Amino acid sequence: GQQVMQIPQYQHVQEGEDFTTYCNSSTTLSNIQWYKQRPGGHPVFLIQLVKSGEVKKQKRLTFQFGEAKKNSSLHITATQTTDVGTYFCAGRQGAQKLVFGQGTRLTINP
Amino acid sequence: ETGVTQSPTHLIKTRGQQVTLRCSSQSGHNTVSWYQQALGQGPQFIFQYYREEENGRGNFPPRFSGLQFPNYSSELNVNALELDDSALYLCASSTGVTGTIYFGEGSWLTVV
Repeated sequence: GQQVMQIPQYQHVQEGEDFTTYCNSSTTLSNIQWYKQRPGGHPVFLIQLVKSGEVKKQKRLTFQFGEAKKNSSLHITATQTTDVGTYFCAGRQGAQKLVFGQGTRLTINP
Repeated sequence: ETGVTQSPTHLIKTRGQQVTLRCSSQSGHNTVSWYQQALGQGPQFIFQYYREEENGRGNFPPRFSGLQFPNYSSELNVNALELDDSALYLCASSTGVTGTIYFGEGSWLTVV
């Protein structure tokens, strides 16, 4: 079945450093979604990417969808303590269920 | 605030018991899906309901069952609870089966 792998599992950075998490699917995706989950909270929708090679920005966050629609990345520039949390990608193949990666937990040293 | 509400927020059950979790979807959303999130893991898809019918199921045993009502609210029922069922149960609603999903705050279930 469809699998979504996410790396790294953990990332610790100094405040102000950049951060990137990568997501790879075993199958071609129709779209990919990114979520952020704060400790003790629930996943909060960040963005959806649909087109091959798509790049979207939200302030300091840059999201990319690979040309083959099998991988994606989230890059945060100049991290702030408010960026702490676990970032999940979730891929959908056609009308199939949304499959989540295992997440990248980001911690930040102020 | 996603407009998806879940109840109860926390509960403790004994192994072998049954539990019902409830979810009210965001206004205008006709699709509800349920996820199980164990500690330190990503959400795992349990099943999805579209217009009151099950429209997809993950790798969960039949003791996990659900309902969707005409107002698009939903229930998740788990029978014969096992210790490994301890997790955060997330309800998410969307417009259609391929739309962006918005999560509720979840129900924390502890089985002892």
